[in-house]
Amino acid sequence: DGGITQSPKYLFRKEGQNVTLSCEQNLNHDAMYWYRQDPGQGLRLIYYSQIVNDFQKGDIAEGYSVSREKKESFPLTVTSAQKNPTAFYLCASSTQTGKDEQFFGPGTRLTVL
Amino acid sequence: GEDVEQSLFLSVREGDSSVINCTYTDSSSTYLYWYKQEPGAGLQLLTYIFSNMDMKQDQRLTVLLNKKDKHLSLRIADTQTGDSAIYFCAEMMDSSYKLIFGSGTRLLVRP
Repeated sequence: DGGITQSPKYLFRKEGQNVTLSCEQNLNHDAMYWYRQDPGQGLRLIYYSQIVNDFQKGDIAEGYSVSREKKESFPLTVTSAQKNPTAFYLCASSTQTGKDEQFFGPGTRLTVL
Repeated sequence: GEDVEQSLFLSVREGDSSVINCTYTDSSSTYLYWYKQEPGAGLQLLTYIFSNMDMKQDQRLTVLLNKKDKHLSLRIADTQTGDSAIYFCAEMMDSSYKLIFGSGTRLLVRP
């Protein structure tokens, strides 16, 4: 079945450690996105990528990094520079940016201890 | 500026209609969306409306758009317990890649 997968569903890390969240899609979508969701708030855009080997910062990129080496994959690294990393992270993809529906993955809940 | 606002909570009885409201500030929005999020899950697109439309109906869902007041609403007819979730409205602006999300409305359906 086509879709977006994120792994793991729950992730625990010690403060000061970098952690990488996985996002894979087999929808043949060009564009991929990472959002952060905090309780009682909407989604905020961290990074997005319109095409392989290209990505741009969103509204809250500080303390995060991404790569887009393959069309299907858009991993997000939460670095130790991110001051408040505990959150629910959602990955999405669409056929192209700015025009089409974004399909969301199931999310990864990151807890930093 | 970009801002999308929603009320935080709505409680209805099973079988009643639910109306979730949203206001937005950017008049250049071209698409407006309603997403549903169940606990611990990602977002599921429910429906969307183009900015040149006033209404869109899809089975139990009716979306109304008042461009003059920048007001969007989602009506769910015959609300069921399975409709309990958080509902997000979002706007997509013509010149941007970005979806601007509201903070979400938590809908609770009482038996």
